[in-house]
Amino acid sequence: KQEVTQIPAALSVPEGENLVLNCSFTDSAIYNLQWFRQDPGKGLTSLLLIQSSQREQTSGRLNASLDKSSGRSTLYIAASQPGDSATYLCAVSGSARQLTFGSGTQLTVLP
Amino acid sequence: KAGVTQTPRYLIKTRGQQVTLSCSPISGHRSVSWYQQTPGQGLQFLFEYFSETQRNKGNFPGRFSGRQFSNSRSEMNVSTLELGDSALYLCASSLGSGSGYNEQFFGPGTRLTVL
Repeated sequence: KQEVTQIPAALSVPEGENLVLNCSFTDSAIYNLQWFRQDPGKGLTSLLLIQSSQREQTSGRLNASLDKSSGRSTLYIAASQPGDSATYLCAVSGSARQLTFGSGTQLTVLP
Repeated sequence: KAGVTQTPRYLIKTRGQQVTLSCSPISGHRSVSWYQQTPGQGLQFLFEYFSETQRNKGNFPGRFSGRQFSNSRSEMNVSTLELGDSALYLCASSLGSGSGYNEQFFGPGTRLTVL
């Protein structure tokens, strides 16, 4: 059974800092990995999708990497802003055609 | 292009009642998945529909059911509501075709409160 772990559970940084969020998964047989953002009480916004054959994806200030063999992914956020404050969720998909989510990292960027 | 829409956004029900939630996927998407989000269990997969057929089901009791219509819109039903069913119910849509697994796009969710 796939298990996804996200570390740290919570993170507070001053504005302007670069930061890294970590995600690990137990079964390397994945189709892809997706990073999401969730604001309080809202739905999930897709940030980046990395196919299993890819090593990284970039979108603006965000960069996600994937090391399938070691079961790890990182989300790098450059020059953080207060508007980046949210919960970041990592999810992997496999042959079961469903997403398995981590418990998320709650990020607070202080002005 | 319009995103995934879910109705209603908020619901309050009492134990024993039943409820139906609705999801309209992004135009052209044929797969709809449902997830339950609670503070204790996080996000858990309920089921996935593609072309009106349930392709996959999570580990939830039979009180949770769903269906998909020919226009890809989906409904999920929960019967005999329990307090523990209080949650944010999220719907996700994707193209659903081909090998592998497509990018999922989520709706704003329906907040269900069971009293």
